[in-house]
Amino acid sequence: DTEVTQTPKHLVMGMTNKKSLKCEQHMGHRAMYWYKQKAKKPPELMFVYSYEKLSINESVPSRFSPECPNSSLLNLHLHALQPEDSALYLCASSRGPQETQYFGPGTRLLVL
Amino acid sequence: SQQGEEDPQALSIQEGENATMNCSYKTSINNLQWYRQNSGRGLVHLILIRSNEREKHSGRLRVTLDTSKKSSSLLITASRAADTASYFCTSRGGAQKLVFGQGTRLTINP
Repeated sequence: DTEVTQTPKHLVMGMTNKKSLKCEQHMGHRAMYWYKQKAKKPPELMFVYSYEKLSINESVPSRFSPECPNSSLLNLHLHALQPEDSALYLCASSRGPQETQYFGPGTRLLVL
Repeated sequence: SQQGEEDPQALSIQEGENATMNCSYKTSINNLQWYRQNSGRGLVHLILIRSNEREKHSGRLRVTLDTSKKSSSLLITASRAADTASYFCTSRGGAQKLVFGQGTRLTINP
């Protein structure tokens, strides 16, 4: 298995909802990442997990809460989001923190 | 900001022609990578060039790196409609962070 999967593909939520994005890889990678990408812009790093520990938080608002239950799974819990949080959320993984990152297809999030 | 710039921002060529995209970055790097992103989807890793390499080939792709100018170029030869995508260069800004350029949107016209 050489891919990173993300669910759901699309998500529409209200500002009072709580939802979660899920990312999974079975390549034995020990680093996993969340990125946010707005239209016609490059991805921006949000969080990095290395060996299941949060190693980088790029000053992301607390309404985004990452979780790494095990080495194959990465979640992003969403609560009280704002319309400006609407974006494509990309997950990536790499064998180690300095190795090539492999990306999932993304979850397109719309906050109403 | 460590983000690089890509040039041009958009490029439209005829199928069969070659496409060249350039990328500049601001800090010293260990390596530079190019990714492709089809419309609104995930990024696909294309090629990695290390700081001690000057040129690298992969199929129809040719990447050059000039560390003295802090710049890289990606050449796609004999372009195809399926090459239509956005192309990003990334440099490593610290041990775990990839810093993305602004991207070049490439359109291949049939």
